[in-house]
Amino acid sequence: DAGVIQSPRHEVTEMGQEVTLRCKPISGHNSLFWYRQTMMRGLELLIYFNNNVPIDDSGMPEDRFSAKMPNASFSTLKIQPSEPRDSAVYFCASSPTPDSGDIFGEGSWLTVV
Amino acid sequence: GESVGLHLPTLSVQEGDNSIINCAYSNSASDYFIWYKQESGKGPQFIIDIRSNMDKRQGQRVTVLLNKTVKHLSLQIAATQPGDSAVYFCAEASGNTPLVFGKGTRLSVIA
Repeated sequence: DAGVIQSPRHEVTEMGQEVTLRCKPISGHNSLFWYRQTMMRGLELLIYFNNNVPIDDSGMPEDRFSAKMPNASFSTLKIQPSEPRDSAVYFCASSPTPDSGDIFGEGSWLTVV
Repeated sequence: GESVGLHLPTLSVQEGDNSIINCAYSNSASDYFIWYKQESGKGPQFIIDIRSNMDKRQGQRVTVLLNKTVKHLSLQIAATQPGDSAVYFCAEASGNTPLVFGKGTRLSVIA
């Protein structure tokens, strides 16, 4: 298995632009997680899905953030409009169940200028 | 609120020595614990896990110890190598809820 695949790996965008991050979880994993990592706040869980259904989005910072999982093999995290304070590494992870070990992707490094 | 925390933010060890990274947790209902390693520019990587019905689990060069009485978790790395330099996170879970991650400890191996 290729593991959790994220794209893009790096993105630099201007403030106000829409950003879409993509994730392909490991086949057979029923849970998918979006995390954000910054030096100040560490690793934060933004939202997670179980069987393609959003279970808990309490970590999503603002309405500018949205996430979808249209099928078991694809999820997106969208920021619209983006702001400089959104600059961070965004990780997608998947696991067989919500409370088992997450397998992380390599992350999407976002810089908003 | 309950959270996972780390005693030491940074740890420097000589190559070949053993490393011990500590983690305190406060949720007494947590029943599953994981240690992750994150190298620069990469995502966290699963190292070893332990369930609350155990107090020790060994892997290759790594051992995780769980002390439920004092809610303490540690990761021991034997014969630390330069490739072990990374940030190490502990994470906990209870019931069917997602992992809660600690802030991380940076391990620096001195050659």
